[in-house]
Formats: sequence, C-alpha cells, structure tokens
Amino acid sequence: NAGVMQNPRHLVRRRGQEARLRCSPMKGHSHVYWYRQLPEEGLKFMVYLQKENIIDESGMPKERFSAEFPKEGPSILRIQQVVRGDSAAYFCASSPLDRGGYEQYFGPGTRLTVT
Amino acid sequence: SQQGEEDPQALSIQEGENATMNCSYKTSINNLQWYRQNSGRGLVHLILIRSNEREKHSGRLRVTLDTSKKSSSLLITASRAADTASYFCATDGTGGFKTIFGAGTRLFVKA
Repeated sequence: NAGVMQNPRHLVRRRGQEARLRCSPMKGHSHVYWYRQLPEEGLKFMVYLQKENIIDESGMPKERFSAEFPKEGPSILRIQQVVRGDSAAYFCASSPLDRGGYEQYFGPGTRLTVT
Repeated sequence: SQQGEEDPQALSIQEGENATMNCSYKTSINNLQWYRQNSGRGLVHLILIRSNEREKHSGRLRVTLDTSKKSSSLLITASRAADTASYFCATDGTGGFKTIFGAGTRLFVKA
C-alpha cells in the first residue's frame, strides 16, 4: 500500500507562471488536506477536500490559489501568477474518514521555488 | 484563533537523556496529535491523544494532556541521535475541520 504521493518533489517557477502541485492520497482514503510550510515554521492549513467537494478552504488565499479533488485522479493545488512569497514547501495529507480522531498521513511535500 | 504553540523552540541534549516538549493551545479540542519531521521531509505521525484521555504511551514516547490548562507534553525517554528532528503538536478543534499546527520544537540529540 503506497503512501501519500506528491509530485513534483521540487518545482521552480518564474514570477507570473502557474504552479500545479499534485497529490495522490493513500489507497482507500477519500479525504485530502493541503498545508504550506515556510522555513523554520509549522504547517499552515490551506484546504480540506473530499472527492469532488471542497469542505473547508478557510486557509487558502482568496486570489490565485485553487484546489480540486476530482472523482478520478489526484488532488491538484494550483497557484496562478506565482510570486516570490509563494516559495514554500507544500504538503498534502490524507485520511480514511473525516479526520476527527484519525491520523493524517503526509506526503513528502513539494518544494516550490519562485525565482 | 486556536493554535498549538510548542515550548521550547529548540532543545539540545545528549544521547541517553530524556527530552520533554510542551504544547499549549487556546480553544476546545477533540484530540491532539504529535508529529515528527526530519529535515526536508514530510511529517510522521507519532501519537494521538483524545480530549478525554490524560496520558498515552507508545514505545519511548509518553504524551500527557491537561485540558484544564490547555496543554500537552511529549516526553522522549533514552533519546537517540536518530531522534534529532522537529516535533509538532497539532490540534483538531471542536468547531471545524482544521488541524492547527504549532511552530515546532527543534530537538538536537548529540551522540
């Protein structure tokens, strides 16, 4: 049973370009969470999704950021017109049910560098 | 806003010593979890303690929870160099779906 997979592991984008980060949850998990981590800081919640539904996006910036978790395929975190401040590690996690009381399994992260 | 805050920010000890990290939070929680992160890697779940539990053990780990003080502690006994990592507490509140992470404690275990 493969763990949570994220790709790419490293992504370099110039300012103004788009960044697409992918997350494949563990098999059997239908709940996905995205977090952002700046150097020397903890993880900041961004969005919580179930298949085809955004449940809580209160941590997402209102502009340029969007997330989806389609019926088929991985969850995508999309950042349009990236700026240097978007440089960070982006982690996704999955859980089998509503994570209330269930641990989240984390992927290895995507490190985004905006030049 | 609800937030887990770890204390100390950094801790340096000798191999074989015990390491204690503390976490405080602000609002009611359903459960509290501790995670470990090695440099440049993803997070690894260590232990979950529910709001109606006071203490939990897993191997060399001991976690306590005091909901009256809104605090938790993680004790690592007989530390090893391989325990060198950042440790985060994370809380699941009663009012939503967010998992809130603290800024972490950076533990250095010297061989």
